[in-house]
Amino acid sequence: ETGVTQSPTHLIKTRGQQVTLRCSSQSGHNTVSWYQQALGQGPQFIFQYYREEENGRGNFPPRFSGLQFPNYSSELNVNALELDDSALYLCASSRPTGLAKNIQYFGAGTRLSVL
Amino acid sequence: GDSVTQMEGPVTLSEEACLTINCTYTATGYPSLFWYVQYPGEGLQLLLKATKADDKGSNKGFEATYRKETTSFHLEKGSVQVSDSAVYFCALSEIADSWGKLQFGAGTQVVVTP
Repeated sequence: ETGVTQSPTHLIKTRGQQVTLRCSSQSGHNTVSWYQQALGQGPQFIFQYYREEENGRGNFPPRFSGLQFPNYSSELNVNALELDDSALYLCASSRPTGLAKNIQYFGAGTRLSVL
Repeated sequence: GDSVTQMEGPVTLSEEACLTINCTYTATGYPSLFWYVQYPGEGLQLLLKATKADDKGSNKGFEATYRKETTSFHLEKGSVQVSDSAVYFCALSEIADSWGKLQFGAGTQVVVTP
């Protein structure tokens, strides 16, 4: 158990809809990263948030957006869903200082299916 | 850009057999290297890490040594158990990127039979 929690665990949407995924970071962690894991592939970095600001972004279109809140929890929003957005979405939390500096701890993920 | 290449799976083994999963990387700088494990229906768990050349990471009987000269970080275990059945991911994080963002390989599925 990492202490990173994600909700919901599963979600089914139709093409064109919008979705919001949520993540609570591990206690003491102020950085949250989001990854997309398509079936049979490794996770791909979407973006990272530190102190409520986006701190780096991977090769994903602007319809993927995020937020981080003062308690360091985070949301991932995806607009205009496409079939290819079907994947496991993983949240990871970390901290930029200390013994476990920048080690990313993952939640169990949200499985999104787009029909 | 940076990349990680892992041997393709599935790798099927009998209990108590030796396991090796090959991982090589391409990076512009001096990355930290990681192995993560994903059990069925779960997220990723950090298995071990190494932050500089010749470092050896170890955990739960698994080992991997950071080899700069061959740009490799192969995962090994001397005697696997059925409970080791999972997907294993090799990953890197650039030192120059101080925020720990990870670049993953495609993963290797390991199936251990009794």
